[in-house]
Amino acid sequence: AQSVTQLGSHVSVSEGALVLLRCNYSSSVPPYLFWYVQYPNQGLQLLLKYTSAATLVKGINGFEAEFKKSETSFHLTKPSAHMSDAAEYFCAVSDRRYSGGGADGLTFGKGTHLIIQP
Amino acid sequence: DGGITQSPKYLFRKEGQNVTLSCEQNLNHDAMYWYRQDPGQGLRLIYYSQIVNDFQKGDIAEGYSVSREKKESFPLTVTSAQKNPTAFYLCASSIYQGPNTEAFFGQGTRLTVV
Repeated sequence: AQSVTQLGSHVSVSEGALVLLRCNYSSSVPPYLFWYVQYPNQGLQLLLKYTSAATLVKGINGFEAEFKKSETSFHLTKPSAHMSDAAEYFCAVSDRRYSGGGADGLTFGKGTHLIIQP
Repeated sequence: DGGITQSPKYLFRKEGQNVTLSCEQNLNHDAMYWYRQDPGQGLRLIYYSQIVNDFQKGDIAEGYSVSREKKESFPLTVTSAQKNPTAFYLCASSIYQGPNTEAFFGQGTRLTVV
């Protein structure tokens, strides 16, 4: 079965510091990978997705993620944290074995709560 | 503006009651989904529908029911058979073009059993 592991349920960084949120996946076939952000009491918004076109993926709000097949990782980074980045971040994986053709094959990680210290 | 509307935002239910959560989309998406979110658990798929008048069980369908009579609407009923219904419920939609499909989410409904 495909799975996603997000290391660290809570990550705290200072404003202006590097943000690094870790995601490792398990999949025996080429995966599609996603990062979503959730602000308090709201739905999820797509930050970026990897679809095999390029290993370094740039997303919204200055975030980017690098696909590393050898490490089965898709870590999310941002060079300089802003107070508005405080939110819950979810990594998700999908592959052709589990998807009927849409987002029904998405498997989500348990989320990482990003805290920004002033 | 196109998007997904969930209502109500907050819902309280007495034990033994059925409640229905509304989800409407105007994105012209074929597929719609219901997820349940619990603290520290990520999102789990309850039901999904690829097309009108058809739907499939997800990972945790027991105690829930859905209908898809219109392309725009995918209501979720939480029945009295659901033993632990208190959670945050998210509706989503997408086009249907493969496993790289992005899901678009509503703002969620927080259900509390009192």
